Amino acid sequence: GEDVEQSLFLSVREGDSSVINCTYTDSSSTYLYWYKQEPGAGLQLLTYIFSNMDMKQDQRLTVLLNKKDKHLSLRIADTQTGDSAIYFCAERGGYQKVTFGTGTKLQVIP
Amino acid sequence: DVKVTQSSRYLVKRTGEKVFLECVQDMDHENMFWYRQDPGLGLRLIYFSYDVKMKEKGDIPEGYSVSREKKERFSLILESASTNQTSMYLCASRDRMGREGSTYNEQFFGPGTRLTVL
Repeated sequence: GEDVEQSLFLSVREGDSSVINCTYTDSSSTYLYWYKQEPGAGLQLLTYIFSNMDMKQDQRLTVLLNKKDKHLSLRIADTQTGDSAIYFCAERGGYQKVTFGTGTKLQVIP
Repeated sequence: DVKVTQSSRYLVKRTGEKVFLECVQDMDHENMFWYRQDPGLGLRLIYFSYDVKMKEKGDIPEGYSVSREKKERFSLILESASTNQTSMYLCASRDRMGREGSTYNEQFFGPGTRLTVL
């Protein structure tokens, strides 16, 4: 089946950039997503990218997609303490089926 | 503006009990999902439903069943709870493709139910 992998933990200093990486195996992915989960809450969609794009920017967030290597990254510029959360990568392949990654816990050090 | 609600935030049950987890969405979405979230494993899909009375198995359906009698409500049932079902359970809903103004690309999640089975 489809597999989506992320590193489990990332620690950055406030004001630095954070880069969260994700790899996936499904070559038929159409959309790729980044969700954020704050403590005690469900997931919220941050941004998504269509598979024929290689970059998308939305304020402090930059998504890069390397379709050949099946690699997705999320860059957060000027990381703030409010960005501390778990970030999930997800991909949509077949109809209705979205596969989520393992999640990366981002810790922002003041 | 509450969109997806789950019946309990925390639940403690004993092995062998029948457990019902309820999820309600107010966005008139066709699609609803149940996931469990475990450290290091991320979100794993248990069951989903794309319409009333319809259900499809996800990746880990064993030990679970679901019910969708009304469009807004999707229930997850643990017929006989076991300790390995201790987990965080997340419900989500999603609009259908093709509707004008559809938010098809976004899944809306509830806050989760942390279930402990003793």
